[in-house]
Amino acid sequence: QKEVEQNSGPLSVPEGAIASLNCTYSDRGSQSFFWYRQYSGKSPELIMFIYSNGDKEDGRFTAQLNKASQYVSLLIRDSQPSDSATYLCAVREGKLIFGQGTELSVKP
Amino acid sequence: SAVISQKPSRDICQRGTSLTIQCQVDSQVTMMFWYRQQPGQSLTLIATANQGSEATYESGFVIDKFPISRPNLTFSTLTVSNMSPEDSSIYLCSVEAPPDEQYFGPGTRLTVT
Repeated sequence: QKEVEQNSGPLSVPEGAIASLNCTYSDRGSQSFFWYRQYSGKSPELIMFIYSNGDKEDGRFTAQLNKASQYVSLLIRDSQPSDSATYLCAVREGKLIFGQGTELSVKP
Repeated sequence: SAVISQKPSRDICQRGTSLTIQCQVDSQVTMMFWYRQQPGQSLTLIATANQGSEATYESGFVIDKFPISRPNLTFSTLTVSNMSPEDSSIYLCSVEAPPDEQYFGPGTRLTVT
């Protein structure tokens, strides 16, 4: 059974802090990794994707991939209350396999 | 990325009836997908909508319950047939555009009474 695991949270961080979201996956052959943000009552929005080991930065977001350890993470710097949402990790294993999502709450 | 619209955005239906959900994309795409997201849950792939051929269904989903049409490269429909309260969910259309990047429509919130 191919799996993508995330802590469900909620993860609570103060405004301005770094939020760290983690995801592990079971299929060593996976090549593509994605982070989606889903606000309550809305559909998922693709915010980051990463294919190579290491870090990929886009504004306040950094995706980190470690294929040897089979984990991918998302760092959000200078967290804002508007970042409060559920973050879904997805791994492509033919089709996209989604984790259960981590709820992030950024407190003013 | 492609712009995706879905109709209806929400509906309340009686058990035993059927609802057809439409998905329209503003550009031609090869890959279109239908997902379900039940309350408090993650996304579950129902099927891949193939243009010009039958949809490819995931384990646990069957064509008689969820018939799908894909008449061209910008449009697809998902029908939820003979509905029961367990079908209450958000149904999401998704496309790959550009390749390997998958985007979602706004979703259809279905309540079955």
